Amino acid sequence: DAGVTQSPTHLIKTRGQHVTLRCSPISGHKSVSWYQQVLGQGPQFIFQYYEKEERGRGNFPDRFSARQFPNYSSELNVNALLLGDSALYLCASSSMKEGGPGANVLTFGAGSRLTVL
Amino acid sequence: SQQGEEDPQALSIQEGENATMNCSYKTSINNLQWYRQNSGRGLVHLILIRSNEREKHSGRLRVTLDTSKKSSSLLITASRAADTASYFCAPRGAGNMLTFGGGTRLMVKP
Repeated sequence: DAGVTQSPTHLIKTRGQHVTLRCSPISGHKSVSWYQQVLGQGPQFIFQYYEKEERGRGNFPDRFSARQFPNYSSELNVNALLLGDSALYLCASSSMKEGGPGANVLTFGAGSRLTVL
Repeated sequence: SQQGEEDPQALSIQEGENATMNCSYKTSINNLQWYRQNSGRGLVHLILIRSNEREKHSGRLRVTLDTSKKSSSLLITASRAADTASYFCAPRGAGNMLTFGGGTRLMVKP
């Protein structure tokens, strides 16, 4: 069974451009979360989606947006890129069934490394 | 959601020694999870301890939880070079989001 897959794995953009990152969750997982990890720091929470609805948002500007599709895959969009947006972007999925096996445990993808020049 | 803070920030030990890292948090939790991250890769879930549990074991891992002190510790026994990684705790409160602190960077020297 495939794990969480993210694409692209690496990309380079210039300031002011837009980027779209994609994530496919583990089969059967209905929740997807996005994190930003700047080099040397811990992952910072950006968004959580469950059943195509936003369930949580971290302290990020409106340039960051996301959505979840009927097949539970997700996209993270970042507009007007800044140098400070350079980071590893991690997607994680979970079953999010209260009390169920593996409930609230996140399975992460390998990440998309974004470099903004 | 709330964030855990790991301590120490960095830890260097010899292979075969035990490694202990600590986590503190601020509000009540439903469970607390520990994750490992090898350099530049995704996090991997290690162990979950529920708020009504005090200690849990998984292989060479031992986790303790003290809800009165709002703290947890992760012990890795008989460490190996392959244990070199960053370790993060994630306390889960009422919400479903998990947030992470800065982590403990563990270096195990062969």
